[in-house]
Amino acid sequence: EAQVTQNPRYLITVTGKKLTVTCSQNMNHEYMSWYRQDPGLGLRQIYYSMNVEVTDKGDVPEGYKVSRKEKRNFPLILESPSPNQTSLYFCASSFIGTSGYEQYFGPGTRLTVT
Amino acid sequence: SQQGEEDPQALSIQEGENATMNCSYKTSINNLQWYRQNSGRGLVHLILIRSNEREKHSGRLRVTLDTSKKSSSLLITASRAADTASYFCATDFEGAQKLVFGQGTRLTINP
Repeated sequence: EAQVTQNPRYLITVTGKKLTVTCSQNMNHEYMSWYRQDPGLGLRQIYYSMNVEVTDKGDVPEGYKVSRKEKRNFPLILESPSPNQTSLYFCASSFIGTSGYEQYFGPGTRLTVT
Repeated sequence: SQQGEEDPQALSIQEGENATMNCSYKTSINNLQWYRQNSGRGLVHLILIRSNEREKHSGRLRVTLDTSKKSSSLLITASRAADTASYFCATDFEGAQKLVFGQGTRLTINP
């Protein structure tokens, strides 16, 4: 089954404790992206990757890191999480970029930073 | 901001009725997409309409695009309880490798 998986689905952590949210897709997609969704602000892009070893900042990259060592994986790293990073996070992938291609979204990771 | 805006923010109708949601955006686009999100879950792609298209159908969905007014509408006909969800429009722009999402319309279908 074609899908994007994220782990963990739910995470409660404390300020400053490094964490990684994994994202994996099995569709051989070149493009992958991370979004955060907050009430009243909608979905905002954090980082994206056009292919292996090619990543770039989205609209709200501060406090986040990503890597793309393999085509299928695109982990999101929070080196020192803060309460303002409490949010619902989505990973997405598509065939090539965003223009003209539907995005496949993961189920989401609900992160709470206390 | 390039962000699209959906209207209305919330819509509640009876099962069987048609639901219409609108999306407006600010700059020229390549394509516009509509997504559905069930509560707290991932977004699911519904339909994509290109900037040179005016109307597109998929099952009970009908999407229109008016580039002169920078607006789109999503019509769901003969609504069902399972259509209860939030609906988002998303646009992509020349040279930008991202989708810009609107705030969404929260649709409730009452049995």
